[in-house]
Amino acid sequence: SAVISQKPSRDICQRGTSLTIQCQVDSQVTMMFWYRQQPGQSLTLIATANQGSEATYESGFVIDKFPISRPNLTFSTLTVSNMSPEDSSIYLCSVEGQGATYEQYFGPGTRLTVT
Amino acid sequence: GESVGLHLPTLSVQEGDNSIINCAYSNSASDYFIWYKQESGKGPQFIIDIRSNMDKRQGQRVTVLLNKTVKHLSLQIAATQPGDSAVYFCAESNMEYGNKLVFGAGTILRVKS
Repeated sequence: SAVISQKPSRDICQRGTSLTIQCQVDSQVTMMFWYRQQPGQSLTLIATANQGSEATYESGFVIDKFPISRPNLTFSTLTVSNMSPEDSSIYLCSVEGQGATYEQYFGPGTRLTVT
Repeated sequence: GESVGLHLPTLSVQEGDNSIINCAYSNSASDYFIWYKQESGKGPQFIIDIRSNMDKRQGQRVTVLLNKTVKHLSLQIAATQPGDSAVYFCAESNMEYGNKLVFGAGTILRVKS
């Protein structure tokens, strides 16, 4: 499986500001995914990011709030814009596996607290 | 570190016993299922997967059972160890979802020594 890193690992931000989270993979992958995990809850998909195309957002998530970049096959960023306390969550990136199934491998996550 | 499973159901087992973690899924069209383990402060870790054309698959100390009739998935962990303490999530996918996964609610497993 791929080795995935995220920066920052955690941050405390003031409301109204924005934070950009980076996701780096040690191998080239076509599909990257961004998830949100609110305190005490499961994972919710924010968007799917393919290199060379616009990210595809899930219902309830919009590009203005969560802009995503995917400049190459090993890197992606997620920005959380105009933050409010409700954005306090763990943000996780994942990549598709190399097999014929839909398994995904996850980074360690970025723990965001908005005050 | 802070647990992500504060509001999730909890299963407590004695070290050495077998654990069974259950998951109900909603989409009868789902044809691929995964179990993930998430330790505190870490991202989910792939444990085992199963396709819908199987009803059982075994790994190292883990077995996944799939009952499509009642849309139920279970993860069995043999000889549970303290290192198995974590939050466990099931996830499903199907052709309609493409390569996206839909995650279940999660279960906290606590192993008592």
